[in-house]
Amino acid sequence: QKEVEQNSGPLSVPEGAIASLNCTYSDRGSQSFFWYRQYSGKSPELIMFIYSNGDKEDGRFTAQLNKASQYVSLLIRDSQPSDSATYLCAVKGRGSTLGRLYFGRGTQLTVWP
Amino acid sequence: GAGVSQSPRYKVAKRGQDVALRCDPISGHVSLFWYQQALGQGPEFLTYFQNEAQLDKSGLPSDRFFAERPEGSVSTLKIQRTQQEDSAVYLCASSPLPGLGPSGANVLTFGAGSRLTVL
Repeated sequence: QKEVEQNSGPLSVPEGAIASLNCTYSDRGSQSFFWYRQYSGKSPELIMFIYSNGDKEDGRFTAQLNKASQYVSLLIRDSQPSDSATYLCAVKGRGSTLGRLYFGRGTQLTVWP
Repeated sequence: GAGVSQSPRYKVAKRGQDVALRCDPISGHVSLFWYQQALGQGPEFLTYFQNEAQLDKSGLPSDRFFAERPEGSVSTLKIQRTQQEDSAVYLCASSPLPGLGPSGANVLTFGAGSRLTVL
């Protein structure tokens, strides 16, 4: 069983819509959760991290964490074509004191004008 | 430097050749990670350095893979006797503090990666 699961998509939304990206993880003791954006052929760049249950908002992005359900999501409001990329969910495990992250395979998002 | 620099950006090797991939992290960053990203997959952890000490190498797939960071700055990932399954993008990431803090605030900055193709 993979540590981190994501729907690989592709997810396609029109410009201005809300894009919802989902991620589940297997280690109940996981501590921190990250969303990275990766444009084709580029390196991952951090969008948000969250470690407490509930919502965390940063501009057009909202991360939601539910540890009981082992579920983390990313909402992108007012989606723009420039948001088209692969979104990687990453989890820092309970035993990962040194910082090893477990990544999902990513969800490919396309925002069409 | 301003960011994490990796070289070469692209490497084509014949099966059985040895390759060396270089990572120059952000100046002063304590932590350095290597990840392997196969096509269509998320990055997979390979190894972690805190300064010059290699504290976790549990992700290295075989003894053909070797990494070093002798002076606590530049790191080299060496792959001996390359195989076709080694074809991937090798990502280096650094962060300013040891590991990742409990809140994750000590975040990783990734380099652009080295794309290895083994024929």
